[in-house]
Amino acid sequence: ETGVTQTPRHLVMGMTNKKSLKCEQHLGHNAMYWYKQSAKKPLELMFVYNFKEQTENNSVPSRFSPECPNSSHLFLHLHTLQPEDSALYLCASSQDGARTGGETQYFGPGTRLLVL
Amino acid sequence: DAKTTQPPSMDCAEGRAANLPCNHSTISGNEYVYWYRQIHSQGPQYIIHGLKNNETNEMASLIITEDRKSSTLILPHATLRDTAVYYCIVRGYNNNDMRFGAGTRLTVKP
Repeated sequence: ETGVTQTPRHLVMGMTNKKSLKCEQHLGHNAMYWYKQSAKKPLELMFVYNFKEQTENNSVPSRFSPECPNSSHLFLHLHTLQPEDSALYLCASSQDGARTGGETQYFGPGTRLLVL
Repeated sequence: DAKTTQPPSMDCAEGRAANLPCNHSTISGNEYVYWYRQIHSQGPQYIIHGLKNNETNEMASLIITEDRKSSTLILPHATLRDTAVYYCIVRGYNNNDMRFGAGTRLTVKP
């Protein structure tokens, strides 16, 4: 138990569906992250939020839309996804974003997404 | 950020120490060495990190060579539940991106 929870743990959706992934951290952290882990590929950083403000967007397609209403919650809204978007989506948090270096990120268990 | 090189797989007998090596010969002075592990289909679990000095916590020890070009993660008494993929990551100052490579698949055997 890392203090970072994600729901749902598994999700199957069609290409025309709209769904949302939720992440919540109970660590009092100020920075939150979305990563994508595809089969046999390294983790890919998608978005970074620091004090509720998006500070990084790594060229993620607009069919992925993040939302950070407060420092404890992070959402990833999904719409018109493609089968190649099937992956493990991981949320992480850290005390602050990378300002001082060495900020440890703590990961949630992930949401396993399958797009049909 | 510096690139890391790890062996693709290792075996370890249960109860023995597991020593996982990592080469990071291009590491720069302000880059940290992080270790995470990932058990199948779960999120990565933080283990330990260091800059220059050796570090120890309740999970493991991290030995960093004096020139910082390599490091070793030591699990002192491996158990079956330590079977996982172990990632060595070198992360630069002011960089949010945890660049996970292929890692080392550690299998602890009875």
